[in-house]
Amino acid sequence: QVQLQESGPGLVKPSDTLSLTCSVSGGSISTYYWSWIRQPPGKGLEWIGNIYYSGSTKYNPSLESRVTISVDTSKNQFFLNLTSVNTADTAVYYCARAGLWGNWFDPWGQGTLVTVSS
Amino acid sequence: EIVMTQSPATLSVSPGERATLSCRASQSVSTNLAWYQQKPGQAPRLLIYGASTWAPGLPARFSGTGSGTQFTLTISSLQSEDFAVYYCQQYNKGWTFGQGTKVEIK
Repeated sequence: QVQLQESGPGLVKPSDTLSLTCSVSGGSISTYYWSWIRQPPGKGLEWIGNIYYSGSTKYNPSLESRVTISVDTSKNQFFLNLTSVNTADTAVYYCARAGLWGNWFDPWGQGTLVTVSS
Repeated sequence: EIVMTQSPATLSVSPGERATLSCRASQSVSTNLAWYQQKPGQAPRLLIYGASTWAPGLPARFSGTGSGTQFTLTISSLQSEDFAVYYCQQYNKGWTFGQGTKVEIK
């Protein structure tokens, strides 16, 4: 059974870069699409972007100028970089598998809270 | 961007009663729609995809219907573990979520 686990700093300063890693276990990262999704405290879900194991990406237009998602198939990991963060980027960040065609999200990681604060 | 609108924002239901949640898309998404359940402090859990196909292990009391712009998630007889927030998500063009419906105990 595939499991995902997010890791990275829980506190990031304004204007810095938020960097997270999603480690995939119980299955290969190859073949599927993989995603990052976030949820500000007390609010709804926002799709950030997808990456195919080959490296092709799609991003939320509202974040595209600041987001980079990458993959390392040898480590069964994919990554999120979000530049020039501000307090509005404070959220629980989830990684998830987006399926063979990048459609629905299942399974999800447990999520990691990233707070943007000086 | 396709905007997903869920109603109501909060649904108060007694255990054992039926709950009907709605999701409307700003343009047709065909049947490219998923539903998720999220409990406090937990990640969302996939319930339904393709508008009406159960995720593995989903209890039969959950059902999804709809196509185009109007979708419904029905929980036929609410159990205590069903009180949660439910999100719809379209994947027809990009990926967008509704704002969620909270199902609370009446």
